[in-house]
Amino acid sequence: QKEVEQDPGPLSVPEGAIVSLNCTYSNSAFQYFMWYRQYSRKGPELLMYTYSSGNKEDGRFTAQVDKSSKYISLFIRDSQPSDSATYLCAMSDRGSTLGRLYFGRGTQLTVWP
Amino acid sequence: NAGVTQTPKFQVLKTGQSMTLQCAQDMNHNSMYWYRQDPGMGLRLIYYSASEGTTDKGEVPNGYNVSRLNKREFSLRLESAAPSQTSVYFCASSAQTDFQETQYFGPGTRLLVL
Repeated sequence: QKEVEQDPGPLSVPEGAIVSLNCTYSNSAFQYFMWYRQYSRKGPELLMYTYSSGNKEDGRFTAQVDKSSKYISLFIRDSQPSDSATYLCAMSDRGSTLGRLYFGRGTQLTVWP
Repeated sequence: NAGVTQTPKFQVLKTGQSMTLQCAQDMNHNSMYWYRQDPGMGLRLIYYSASEGTTDKGEVPNGYNVSRLNKREFSLRLESAAPSQTSVYFCASSAQTDFQETQYFGPGTRLLVL
């Protein structure tokens, strides 16, 4: 079993929809949780970052972490065609492998006009 | 600032050939990483370097070697390329501040091994 599980999709929604992307994990030592966005044929770029449990909002994006359930989510409100990309969750324990990130497989999202 | 740069952007090799993928960052970051990305597999860590002068194996190190040439540069070498090494390779770097582990990625190198 991979340490981080993420449904690869693909996910296709109309413009304006609310999108929910999710990851589950098995390592209870993970404390830092990130969402990266990757456009086609580009490198991933950091979208959201949260520490421990709770919510974090940035514009149309909201990241949630539920450590008790080992479950993280990214919500996109009023989705736009420019949101079409692959979204990767990532997490870290800052343990012996300082700075090492564990990635999900990525969910491919298409927002059609 | 250019951020993280990678060369070449695209390469075709024959089985058994060798090559070195180059990576450089201008953000004064301590840590650097090499990943490969395959369809349906996500990003898998090949090697990383927590600081200048140190390197460690990641999840899939077999068939690869790395060199942390200085603080800016971290190269990945394939000594004898195999078709299974066909992939997109990403280099990343991070500052490892107290509060976050943000990794910044390069644009990638697409490698095809025939």
